Amino acid sequence: GDSVTQTEGQVALSEEDFLTIHCNYSASGYPALFWYVQYPGEGPQFLFRASRDKEKGSSRGFEATYDKGTTSFHLRKASVQESDSAVYYCALGIFNTNTGKLTFGDGTVLTVKP
Amino acid sequence: DAGVTQTPRHEVAEKGQTIILKCEPVSGHNDLFWYRQTKIQGLELLSYFRSKSLMEDGGAFKDRFKAEMLNSSFSTLKIQPTEPKDSAVYLCASSGNTGQLYFGEGSKLTVL
Repeated sequence: GDSVTQTEGQVALSEEDFLTIHCNYSASGYPALFWYVQYPGEGPQFLFRASRDKEKGSSRGFEATYDKGTTSFHLRKASVQESDSAVYYCALGIFNTNTGKLTFGDGTVLTVKP
Repeated sequence: DAGVTQTPRHEVAEKGQTIILKCEPVSGHNDLFWYRQTKIQGLELLSYFRSKSLMEDGGAFKDRFKAEMLNSSFSTLKIQPTEPKDSAVYLCASSGNTGQLYFGEGSKLTVL
């Protein structure tokens, strides 16, 4: 079945560090890829998506490029802030079938120290 | 525009009780999802509705969990009877035709 693997369970950084969270996927169809962010006490929020090979998604300084060759959609940010501390989820959706369901990764807890 | 509304935000139940969690999706959205979130298991899909029809009912949750969509603007998740292992955050989400999920803030359930 379809799956998403986030390599890092936890990431600890200092402000202005560079962030990479690795996301790899396995899918039988043509997936759209998503990143969601969840702050304490809230539900996950959509960050951005990409639907085609080599397409870049971005929002709030975060970005990721859809790479069909390496089946990856790694999240990056050049300079993190303490306010970026949250849980980040990578997800995929197959929208050429009759379903709107997303498959989520296990999430990565990002802690940024001032 | 109103987002997804979940009530109650917090629920404390005794083992064996019945609890009902409620969700109002974003107006006009056809897909509605119920997830359970724990630190150990992450996000687990409980139920998925499309245009009020049940599309998927999480196999591991069939026994004591029942989600219903009474109309296009209201859904409930019933847990009966509750067990301590059901303690978790229950998230409702809806989506339109873009595939983007909009989540509610969640209902935190504690079963004693």
